[in-house]
Amino acid sequence: AQKVTQTQTSISVVEKTTVTMDCVYETRDSSYFLFWYKQTASGEIVFLIRQDSYKKENATVGHYSLNFQKPKSSIGLIITATQIEDSAVYFCAMREDEVGSNYNVLYFGSGTKLTVEP
Amino acid sequence: EAAVTQSPRNKVTVTGGNVTLSCRQTNSHNYMYWYRQDTGHGLRLIHYSYGAGNLQIGDVPDGYKATRTTQEDFFLLLELASPSQTSLYFCASSDNGDYEQYFGPGTRLTVL
Repeated sequence: AQKVTQTQTSISVVEKTTVTMDCVYETRDSSYFLFWYKQTASGEIVFLIRQDSYKKENATVGHYSLNFQKPKSSIGLIITATQIEDSAVYFCAMREDEVGSNYNVLYFGSGTKLTVEP
Repeated sequence: EAAVTQSPRNKVTVTGGNVTLSCRQTNSHNYMYWYRQDTGHGLRLIHYSYGAGNLQIGDVPDGYKATRTTQEDFFLLLELASPSQTSLYFCASSDNGDYEQYFGPGTRLTVL
């Protein structure tokens, strides 16, 4: 079963608007880490933002913020004031924190392709 | 910012061939990872290491070996390549297993 699911395969928005990308995850661990990465057209993969499961406050970095809804096992990425250069594929990922066979494995979703149009 | 490099950037081999993919990181990170990326699957972890001489099995290790010779260098070995191993391979590093990972530029491998 998929541990991290991104149901939106592609989204198209107009420049300077706000977009939200969805991600749900599955874990039995009480402690875990959630990440969002961006893959540009050139293939480069860049870390964007992270949320630790024990933190109630949503993480924010620049024009990226997260909507962490722990009871729903959901971690949405919000990009405000989108720019053309935000066009990329966005991946959600999860790492479980409890020692076991899956320790240190980062599980990725299948990605959401964002197109920002002028 | 971490610097992770991979070589070669592109590789074509035949079924049954022997392939070594190389990765080097220059930020003294402890952890290094090998992933493959296929359409519809995102990135999947093959092997990882938390130091020279250490090797840990990831989520999709079958058909792959790996070796961490130094803190900087991590190699992925395909000793009998098969067409199912045609993929885009990424190496990554992190200072700690909890922290964000920094990715290399990727190696595109085609097995004919």
